[in-house]
Amino acid sequence: TQLLEQSPQFLSIQEGENLTVYCNSSSVFSSLQWYRQEPGEGPVLLVTVVTGGEVKKLKRLTFQFGDARKDSSLHITAAQPGDTGLYLCAGDTGSSNTGKLIFGQGTTLQVKP
Amino acid sequence: DADVTQTPRNRITKTGKRIMLECSQTKGHDRMYWYRQDPGLGLRLIYYSFDVKDINKGEISDGYSVSRQAQAKFSLSLESAIPNQTALYFCATSDTRGATRELFFGEGSRLTVL
Repeated sequence: TQLLEQSPQFLSIQEGENLTVYCNSSSVFSSLQWYRQEPGEGPVLLVTVVTGGEVKKLKRLTFQFGDARKDSSLHITAAQPGDTGLYLCAGDTGSSNTGKLIFGQGTTLQVKP
Repeated sequence: DADVTQTPRNRITKTGKRIMLECSQTKGHDRMYWYRQDPGLGLRLIYYSFDVKDINKGEISDGYSVSRQAQAKFSLSLESAIPNQTALYFCATSDTRGATRELFFGEGSRLTVL
């Protein structure tokens, strides 16, 4: 069974602080996606990383895909209350006949003003 | 209007009742999925469909069934609901033509089984 371990599960920080969320697996993924989910809504895609070692930036969010394509991290600089939400990583096994992503358990982030 | 619409958004029912959750999409995507979300467990795949004639079980399909009535519609049924099926259910779509299997989610259907 392929697993994607996300850590930490919960994070409560003050506005302006930095944080990093990790997503780790023993499996290799063809790509890895990060989603953010706000209360009462479905997850929304933030970014997809495809190449080992790839770094993508989305304003104050920096996403990195591990060299071996088994892990990923999300770093938020100077967090703001609007960053509050559930962050989910999802790995794509690349197997066309399964059609499914493997999701991590999620990280609930609370940014206090 | 949302590209992926789920109905109902909230439902409370009793053990043993049959429940149907419906999903429709205007994105023109061929693939549709039903996921279940429970606190601390992330999203788990129930069923997925690559097209109208293709239905596949996910990791937790027991107790559920689906129907792909058209490319744009994918419904999830609980034939005899039980309390441990209380959860938040999401429908999602993706496009085979896309380079990666990015998912587009509906807003969710919260089901409570008493």
